[in-house]
Amino acid sequence: DTGVSQNPRHKITKRGQNVTFRCDPISEHNRLYWYRQTLGQGPEFLTYFQNEAQLEKSRLLSDRFSAERPKGSFSTLEIQRTEQGDSAMYLCASSPYLNTEAFFGQGTRLTVV
Amino acid sequence: RKEVEQDPGPFNVPEGATVAFNCTYSNSASQSFFWYRQDCRKEPKLLMSVYSSGNEDGRFTAQLNRASQYISLLIRDSKLSDSATYLCVVNERSQGNLIFGKGTKLSVKP
Repeated sequence: DTGVSQNPRHKITKRGQNVTFRCDPISEHNRLYWYRQTLGQGPEFLTYFQNEAQLEKSRLLSDRFSAERPKGSFSTLEIQRTEQGDSAMYLCASSPYLNTEAFFGQGTRLTVV
Repeated sequence: RKEVEQDPGPFNVPEGATVAFNCTYSNSASQSFFWYRQDCRKEPKLLMSVYSSGNEDGRFTAQLNRASQYISLLIRDSKLSDSATYLCVVNERSQGNLIFGKGTKLSVKP
């Protein structure tokens, strides 16, 4: 399968714990995006990378959130000291160029209890 | 004002009906436009890009009106399998992020 891959698919964690998600984009896609989606809402932009450079972060992204793409390939999204409000689907997408469509992974569903 | 606005629906239509969705965007600098489809608890998938001259893909037709800053999607001869949420997506030339609307839910009934 050469699509966008996300791991894990599901994560249940206790409030206050740290979690890390991984995204493997489509090979040779230099743009990688992270979104968060809650029930009944469209995906909300969190951050994106061009190669290894993080070019933009949403104001929604608190200091507890950090993302990396160290070698311009896979990316990780870490949430520290999770809160119940962090429960959501975290979606990763990649695209080959600016202003082109993005392709999504299946997402990581986070539940904070 | 929200950057991308859509009527949330739901739109409940019988099989074979024609249904149209509209979407408005606030930033006149927006350059790229897309419609995505999202099934329940699945990831969004690209349905079609929207070009300035309008474009058609089978039963689906997309239109862009830059002057009024809106995008439309027309679905003809609706099928049960068209039931999903349709997301309007906008991208600015100078920025990298794709901005999503909240989506319009379509339910096609037999």
